[in-house]
Amino acid sequence: AQKITQTQPGMFVQEKEAVTLDCTYDTSDPSYGLFWYKQPSSGEMIFLIYQGSYDQQNATEGRYSLNFQKARKSANLVISASQLGDSAMYFCAMRERQLAGGTSYGKLTFGQGTILTVHP
Amino acid sequence: NAGVTQTPKFQVLKTGQSMTLQCAQDMNHEYMSWYRQDPGMGLRLIHYSVGAGITDQGEVPNGYNVSRSTTEDFPLRLLSAAPSQTSVYFCASSVSGDTEQFFGPGTRLTVL
Repeated sequence: AQKITQTQPGMFVQEKEAVTLDCTYDTSDPSYGLFWYKQPSSGEMIFLIYQGSYDQQNATEGRYSLNFQKARKSANLVISASQLGDSAMYFCAMRERQLAGGTSYGKLTFGQGTILTVHP
Repeated sequence: NAGVTQTPKFQVLKTGQSMTLQCAQDMNHEYMSWYRQDPGMGLRLIHYSVGAGITDQGEVPNGYNVSRSTTEDFPLRLLSAAPSQTSVYFCASSVSGDTEQFFGPGTRLTVL
């Protein structure tokens, strides 16, 4: 079973409008974390936002917010007031605990990504 | 502060050749990882390390070796390159297992 699912291969949005990118996850780890990364056409991976499983409030970072619905196991990214520079691939990722050499490590699993295109 | 650096940026190999992808970070991060990115598949974890001398396998470790002799460096070795290893390779580091991972710019590898 997929641990991280992004069901929207591509999304389109008009400049200055808001857009929601979907992400659902599956884990039995009670202490997990959810990340969103942006990958522009230049190829680098840019960290956007983080939500911990025990965080009571939804994470926000500037125009980015994470709509965290724990019972539904979803962590959707909301981008407000879209800009042309937001056009990129967006990845949702989940961090689960693993033990390595006696040390706890947060292993990241990525979804397949959503390509967002912002139209002027 | 250069962050996470990777060399080379591009590489073409013939089947059966070996090579090492270099990764270095100057942020004193204990955690480092290698991922590969293939079209339509997102990033998949190859190997990771929680500190110098400690490494472990990720999701797709076959055909790759790693070692971590220093905190700063985490090289990825391809022992005998195969066309299936054609991909973009990313190295990442983080302060701890809970924090965001910082990615290098990637290495685009083609195996003919």
